[in-house]
Amino acid sequence: RKEVEQDPGPFNVPEGATVAFNCTYSNSASQSFFWYRQDCRKEPKLLMSVYSSGNEDGRFTAQLNRASQYISLLIRDSKLSDSATYLCVVNMNQGNTPLVFGKGTRLSVIA
Amino acid sequence: DTEVTQTPKHLVMGMTNKKSLKCEQHMGHRAMYWYKQKAKKPPELMFVYSYEKLSINESVPSRFSPECPNSSLLNLHLHALQPEDSALYLCASSQEPGQGRSYEQYFGPGTRLTVT
Repeated sequence: RKEVEQDPGPFNVPEGATVAFNCTYSNSASQSFFWYRQDCRKEPKLLMSVYSSGNEDGRFTAQLNRASQYISLLIRDSKLSDSATYLCVVNMNQGNTPLVFGKGTRLSVIA
Repeated sequence: DTEVTQTPKHLVMGMTNKKSLKCEQHMGHRAMYWYKQKAKKPPELMFVYSYEKLSINESVPSRFSPECPNSSLLNLHLHALQPEDSALYLCASSQEPGQGRSYEQYFGPGTRLTVT
């Protein structure tokens, strides 16, 4: 099983739609979870950390399901500017590698 | 201020050249990272510095040589690179991970390197 898995997409959604991404991780001892967004030819930017209780920031909601070892990102009322690749990032809490990146999910919001 | 700066933004170098990439942060972070990213792939960790000491080297070839002159600066010295080393090189910083927990990493804009 890969350490962090994401559906690569692309997800093509109309403006105003709600879209959700899931990400699974292999290590049940992982403690830190993040969503980053990356625009083409730019650096990853932190979107939100994911807490056990779930957290919301405007149109974005992140959830953690430890039992099933996945995190999710929900985007409501999609904007054209939400088009990007969304990277799921998890600490494996083993070995030396601090964080492991998923391969990303590509989102295109269409007018 | 969550800014990490990197210079240069773009670099073209021949296989016999020596060049350096620079990274700077003023967030008081004690962990700094170098990543390599190829197109349509996630960032790939190269090196981690913790309190100015190299703590992780992900089996990176010796033609890449990192250096941490002080807690705010991180360099990556390049020598005798190959065309396949062409990529986006990203620097990041974070609070020092501890007790099984990792903190948010903040990335610089990257240096786009082309090796000819």
